[in-house]
Amino acid sequence: DVKVTQSSRYLVKRTGEKVFLECVQDMDHENMFWYRQDPGLGLRLIYFSYDVKMKEKGDIPEGYSVSREKKERFSLILESASTNQTSMYLCASSLEGQGLAKNIQYFGAGTRLSVL
Amino acid sequence: GQNIDQPTEMTATEGAIVQINCTYQTSGFNGLFWYQQHAGEAPTFLSYNVLDGLEEKGRFSSFLSRSKGYSYLLLKELQMKDSASYLCAVLDSNYQLIWGAGTKLIIKP
Repeated sequence: DVKVTQSSRYLVKRTGEKVFLECVQDMDHENMFWYRQDPGLGLRLIYFSYDVKMKEKGDIPEGYSVSREKKERFSLILESASTNQTSMYLCASSLEGQGLAKNIQYFGAGTRLSVL
Repeated sequence: GQNIDQPTEMTATEGAIVQINCTYQTSGFNGLFWYQQHAGEAPTFLSYNVLDGLEEKGRFSSFLSRSKGYSYLLLKELQMKDSASYLCAVLDSNYQLIWGAGTKLIIKP
């Protein structure tokens, strides 16, 4: 079974703090993704990566950065946390390629971040 | 713009059948996915469709009409454990998944 592990289930941070969210997958997937999930909205893509050291902006990258130094690990960084970044953050991974099966995304359990 | 619409919430009775609809307008289409997400948990993959028609997987089936930009997820013999949110997502021309807001399904005994 594919396993995507997020380092924390719950985090509480103060406004202005630097926040690191870690994600590790164990299936040698090329693609990794960071989403945020808010009530009434679909999953919104923050950043994704299709290879080590490669990153692409998603729909809402402002206020975030990412790091992928190893294939299995993808980190999301909030440089200076703000209250509007309070949300559920979900990490996902998938294989590279155009077939439907390769585009199935496997998700971690999520990190619920509260910024006070 | 890209848009995926699903009902916000539905209620059904244990043992019954429920159909969750999804309509989409996206820049290109390379397939449609359904995911299940229990409260506080990760979304998990249920099914995908790329051709028109019905795909059956046990108690769950998914239908696609590309000409109408429409899909539905059909759940039969509902069980209490089916209470969850169901997410519809479309793989667009850039092979990016575009997500609907999800339908919260409440099962009553």
